[in-house]
Amino acid sequence: DAGVIQSPRHEVTEMGQEVTLRCKPISGHNSLFWYRQTMMRGLELLIYFNNNVPIDDSGMPEDRFSAKMPNASFSTLKIQPSEPRDSAVYFCASREKTGYYSPLHFGNGTRLTVT
Amino acid sequence: DAKTTQPPSMDCAEGRAANLPCNHSTISGNEYVYWYRQIHSQGPQYIIHGLKNNETNEMASLIITEDRKSSTLILPHATLRDTAVYYCIATGNQFYFGTGTSLTVIP
Repeated sequence: DAGVIQSPRHEVTEMGQEVTLRCKPISGHNSLFWYRQTMMRGLELLIYFNNNVPIDDSGMPEDRFSAKMPNASFSTLKIQPSEPRDSAVYFCASREKTGYYSPLHFGNGTRLTVT
Repeated sequence: DAKTTQPPSMDCAEGRAANLPCNHSTISGNEYVYWYRQIHSQGPQYIIHGLKNNETNEMASLIITEDRKSSTLILPHATLRDTAVYYCIATGNQFYFGTGTSLTVIP
C-alpha cells in the first residue's frame, strides 16, 4: 500500500496568497484527520472526517482555514488568505473506522512557509 | 479522550530496554491506548495499541496496568534510531497528541 500521500511536500508563499494542501488517504480508510505542528503548539488536531463528512472542526483556528473531502480518496485544506503565523508542518492521517481499535496512519506532511 | 501524562524526556543506553511510562487515569472503558513516535519532522509513526491486555509486536511491547490507569511502552533493545519523541494517546475516536516524551538513546 502506498500509504497516506500528501502534496506538495514544501510550499513557500507570500502573505495574503491562497494555499491549498492535498491529501490522499489509504485506500479503504474512511476517517481522515488534518493536523498542524509547530514548535510552540505541538501537534494540533484541526479537523476530522468520517465517511467524507466533517465531524469535528473545533480545532480549525480561524475562518481563513477550510477543509473539504469531496470523495473517499481526496481531501484538501485551504488557507485564504495566508499569514506568516500559519507557517507550520501540516499532516494528514487516515484510519479504517471499524471500531475503536484501528490506528491512525500519517503522511509525511507539507511544510508551509508564509513570508 | 482521556488526558495523558508523560515525562518530558528520558535517556536510555543503546542495547538496553527503554521503558516509557504514561499515565491515563481518566481513561474510559472503551478507550484504547495508542503509542506513536515521531523522528525529526516526519509524520508520527504508529507503534502499538491495546485495550487492557498486554500487547507485543515486532517494534515494542505495551504493558497496561490492571486498572488501566497507566501503561508502559517497552523497546526491548534500544538503538540509536529509536531516538524520537514518543506519544501516548488514550482515545476512542479523536487523536489528540500531547507533548510526549523525548527519548534519547545514548551510545
